[in-house]
Amino acid sequence: SQTIHQWPATLVQPVGSPLSLECTVEGTSNPNLYWYRQAAGRGLQLLFYSVGIGQISSEVPQNLSASRPQDRQFILSSKKLLLSDSGFYLCAWTESGKTQYFGPGTRLLVL
Amino acid sequence: GENVEQHPSTLSVQEGDSAVIKCTYSDSASNYFPWYKQELGKGPQLIIDIRSNVGEKKDQRIAVTLNKTAKHFSLHITETQPEDSAVYFCAAVGGAQKLVFGQGTRLTINP
Repeated sequence: SQTIHQWPATLVQPVGSPLSLECTVEGTSNPNLYWYRQAAGRGLQLLFYSVGIGQISSEVPQNLSASRPQDRQFILSSKKLLLSDSGFYLCAWTESGKTQYFGPGTRLLVL
Repeated sequence: GENVEQHPSTLSVQEGDSAVIKCTYSDSASNYFPWYKQELGKGPQLIIDIRSNVGEKKDQRIAVTLNKTAKHFSLHITETQPEDSAVYFCAAVGGAQKLVFGQGTRLTINP
């Protein structure tokens, strides 16, 4: 069966520091991968999605970037974090192109 | 692009009663509508979905109905239990097989 992992689970970072969040999927090949951000008590905002290795589409202009170095690995990065980057970051995947499954999330607090 | 509106934003029902959450969408080409349940501090979990070739789907106490003419779909939970308390999100498939989410409904089941 397929599983999706995210780490770290929680992260506290100072303003201006770099960021790297990782997402990996097991048990599937060539999935579509997604990064979402969820502010406290709010809905899901799509940040990036990828349909293959090295293929990244950005949904909103922001302080973040994404990369897909391997088929089942998706990384969210920032060179310098802002206070507004705080939130709950969720990775998701689809195989069939429709049903989307989410990871457990990473809670990021920027101080 | 697709736009999804979800109502109500909060819903409180007595244990054992039914709960209904409604969503409307804008893109008549959308043909897949999942519902997710998110518990505090966790990633959203798919609970039921419906495709445009059916009008209703049921899974034990949960049912979803779809009206393609009116472009709205609803989640029905019967015989609610305390463990049903969570935030529920509807979604619709938009362009490039991306899900567009509603704003979420916080459901509270009162014992």
